[in-house]
Amino acid sequence: GENVEQHPSTLSVQEGDSAVIKCTYSDSASNYFPWYKQELGKRPQLIIDIRSNVGEKKDQRIAVTLNKTAKHFSLHITETQPEDSAVYFCAAKGSGAGGTSYGKLTFGQGTILTVHP
Amino acid sequence: DVKVTQSSRYLVKRTGEKVFLECVQDMDHENMFWYRQDPGLGLRLIYFSYDVKMKEKGDIPEGYSVSREKKERFSLILESASTNQTSMYLCASSFLDSYNEQFFGPGTRLTVL
Repeated sequence: GENVEQHPSTLSVQEGDSAVIKCTYSDSASNYFPWYKQELGKRPQLIIDIRSNVGEKKDQRIAVTLNKTAKHFSLHITETQPEDSAVYFCAAKGSGAGGTSYGKLTFGQGTILTVHP
Repeated sequence: DVKVTQSSRYLVKRTGEKVFLECVQDMDHENMFWYRQDPGLGLRLIYFSYDVKMKEKGDIPEGYSVSREKKERFSLILESASTNQTSMYLCASSFLDSYNEQFFGPGTRLTVL
C-alpha cells in the first residue's frame, strides 16, 4: 500500500519568515495530494490540494509543489503569522481502480509548526 | 455548512469493555472513515465505508469493527477494549469522487484504563 513520510516533525519560525514542509510517497500511481491543517483542539481542515497533472498550485500565502519523478511534494507558507501555528498533515491518494479506493487517503506523520511573534 | 458530529468528546472505559463510537454526517456523503490520531504517527485509517452496509479495512483494523446501517451514520466498535487503544478517534466523510475533501468530526478522546 501507499506510504507517506513527512518532514520535519516540528518547525519553529519567526513571524514573517517562510516555512516549508516536505512529504514523500511510495505509490507512483498516486494522483491526489491534499494538505490539512489542525489547530490546537480542533478538527483537521483542508487548506490546499494538488492533482498529479499539475506541478504547482498557489492560494494567497500558501503553495504546494509536486515532483512526480522524485515522488515528493511540499507545502510552502510565506509571510508566516502566529495564526499559522498548527499541525499540518500531508496525504496521498492512490489511483487504484474500483470503488474501494475512492477517497481513501494515506496521511503523513504531521508537522507541528510554531510561528513566534 | 457541512457538519460531522461524534457521539462523545471524551470517553473513559475499562479494559475488556465493549465500546461504541458513533459518527453522523448531514451532507449525504457516500464515504465515511474512522481514523485514530496518535502523536508522531499522524492519522491512521482504521476502516472506511463507501456505501451502506459496505466496509473496507484500512491500515490498522485489528481490534476494531464497524457498522453502517444508514448512509449518514458510521459506528466504530471496540469489541474488547485494551489500553493500547487509548487514543483520539476521528471520523470523516466525503463524496464518492476521488478528489473530494474529507470533512472531519471533532474527535473522541478515548481512555482505556
